[in-house]
Amino acid sequence: AQSVTQPDIHITVSEGASLELRCNYSYGATPYLFWYVQSPGQGLQLLLKYFSGDTLVQGIKGFEAEFKRSQSSFNLRKPSVHWSDAAEYFCAVGAQEYGNKLVFGAGTILRVKS
Amino acid sequence: DTGVSQNPRHKITKRGQNVTFRCDPISEHNRLYWYRQTLGQGPEFLTYFQNEAQLEKSRLLSDRFSAERPKGSFSTLEIQRTEQGDSAMYLCASSSKGLAGGPMKYEQYFGPGTRLTVT
Repeated sequence: AQSVTQPDIHITVSEGASLELRCNYSYGATPYLFWYVQSPGQGLQLLLKYFSGDTLVQGIKGFEAEFKRSQSSFNLRKPSVHWSDAAEYFCAVGAQEYGNKLVFGAGTILRVKS
Repeated sequence: DTGVSQNPRHKITKRGQNVTFRCDPISEHNRLYWYRQTLGQGPEFLTYFQNEAQLEKSRLLSDRFSAERPKGSFSTLEIQRTEQGDSAMYLCASSSKGLAGGPMKYEQYFGPGTRLTVT
């Protein structure tokens, strides 16, 4: 069955430091990959997506992610974190053969210290 | 573009009562999804509509749950005889069909959610 793993439940970084959030997926074929961000009590906002083509994708708020097929990974990165980036981040996967749903990881809570 | 809206934002109910939530998708989107999110977890798929047709249901959607999208616009999710285990955030998302049903349909835009607490 398809699954998404986000190995880090919590991550704390200093403001201005770089960030990498890990995401690994298990799918039978080429997946469609997404990163969403959720602030407390709010819905999910789409940060970026990968469908095909260039494996390095740019998103909003200065985020980027790289698809690595050989590692089944889609890690999210940001070169310099701002205090307003503190939130929960979810990696999600969709695939044609698994219907129209997205399958989400359990999320990574990002804390930013000043 | 006013985004996906959901009402109510919060609902507290006693066990055994029925509750109904509403979702209004982005106006030009013909696909609508319901997900459930419990504390410390990512959202889990419940069901999906294309226009007014309910095309897919998760095994999570027990007989006490029913969803409708009568005119292909807004949708309602009803939970009958609520149980404490139903306490969760219920999220609605919408997407467009995209070209020939390609990957764009997976680009889902979420509403703020309805937080249900069953006491």
